[in-house]
Amino acid sequence: DAGVIQSPRHEVTEMGQEVTLRCKPISGHNSLFWYRQTMMRGLELLIYFNNNVPIDDSGMPEDRFSAKMPNASFSTLKIQPSEPRDSAVYFCASSRRDRGWSETQYFGPGTRLLVL
Amino acid sequence: SQQGEEDPQALSIQEGENATMNCSYKTSINNLQWYRQNSGRGLVHLILIRSNEREKHSGRLRVTLDTSKKSSSLLITASRAADTASYFCAPGKDTDKLIFGTGTRLQVFP
Repeated sequence: DAGVIQSPRHEVTEMGQEVTLRCKPISGHNSLFWYRQTMMRGLELLIYFNNNVPIDDSGMPEDRFSAKMPNASFSTLKIQPSEPRDSAVYFCASSRRDRGWSETQYFGPGTRLLVL
Repeated sequence: SQQGEEDPQALSIQEGENATMNCSYKTSINNLQWYRQNSGRGLVHLILIRSNEREKHSGRLRVTLDTSKKSSSLLITASRAADTASYFCAPGKDTDKLIFGTGTRLQVFP
């Protein structure tokens, strides 16, 4: 299996621009997680889906952030408009939720976002 | 949901030495996982220990779990420079999401 795939790997944009991050989970996994990692705040869970349905978006910092999962093999995280404080590494992870939320998660390589 | 707290925050050792990291948590769990993150990369799952297990091994890794003390330890034996990374614990409960702590930064000098 190719593992979790994220694109782009690097993104540099200017403040105010729209940014779209993409994720393809591992085939057969039914849960998907978006994280953000910074030196100051560590690894933060933004939102997670189960069977393509958002379960908990309480970690989404503000309305400028939105996430979708139109099917089992694709998810997007959109920031509009972007701000310099959104600069971070964004990770997508997937898991197979058989018994609960504590199943092993498989992380993608991350998207390094820099907003100027 | 609960976050594990790793200790120490940073650890520096020489190649060949053993590295021990600890994790504490506050409420009951179904399992506890350890992950590794190399600089600039995503987290990689190392090992999962269930609440009814006390010790588990995987290669040079040994994990213990003491549910009465709500703590776990990760031991890396005969460390290598390639073990340099951040290590995170994640106490898991089937009914709630995983929360990652700030991790232990391990530096192994050749």
